Amino acid sequence: GAVVSQHPSWVICKSGTSVKIECRSLDFQATTMFWYRQFPKQSLMLMATSNEGSKATYEQGVEKDKFLINHASLTLSTLTVTSAHPEDSSFYICSARRLAVHYNEQFFGPGTRLTVL
Amino acid sequence: QKEVEQDPGPLSVPEGAIVSLNCTYSNSAFQYFMWYRQYSRKGPELLMYTYSSGNKEDGRFTAQVDKSSKYISLFIRDSQPSDSATYLCAMNGNRDDKIIFGKGTRLHILP
Repeated sequence: GAVVSQHPSWVICKSGTSVKIECRSLDFQATTMFWYRQFPKQSLMLMATSNEGSKATYEQGVEKDKFLINHASLTLSTLTVTSAHPEDSSFYICSARRLAVHYNEQFFGPGTRLTVL
Repeated sequence: QKEVEQDPGPLSVPEGAIVSLNCTYSNSAFQYFMWYRQYSRKGPELLMYTYSSGNKEDGRFTAQVDKSSKYISLFIRDSQPSDSATYLCAMNGNRDDKIIFGKGTRLHILP
């Protein structure tokens, strides 16, 4: 159990276009989902925390108007990169939190590789 | 000083050897400690979770936490080529706090 999927797994787009990435918890309900960004040979950088039915909380330095997050249901969160530019090229990973008694149990999706030309 | 420090490697060891991976941290409030394994171009998967100080064993993996030294370790016994991956340590203070990740150590097990 505790499977998280992401779609698409990779996407190539032209500069100036918008790209939507979906994150789904397949076999559990996730009241909280997280979006991370990872550059090559770097760690995961938390971009935002998404709670179902409310506005996302963005980390310092992350442009909320550029990275639109929607968490409309307990199993789906979306990240839209608006007006993408080459510097937005990265590996985007979501995770979904399953409530556990003792700790913040997060399950990660397989990631989406975005390349902006 | 960064909150979590982890040597990026790469670390290359022969098959069958014992692997030791480590992280240090600065925030004494951290009490939940995790190790994730990440294969190339994949999302991280949780390997081990430890609360507070102590040891935890799961198969070939042993996690150790020394809160007095702010030092955590992951040991892999009888290492296999399939263990080749990046290992990220992670931690937080309270259950609902955001998780802070190390940069990850790239591990290569040589057949």
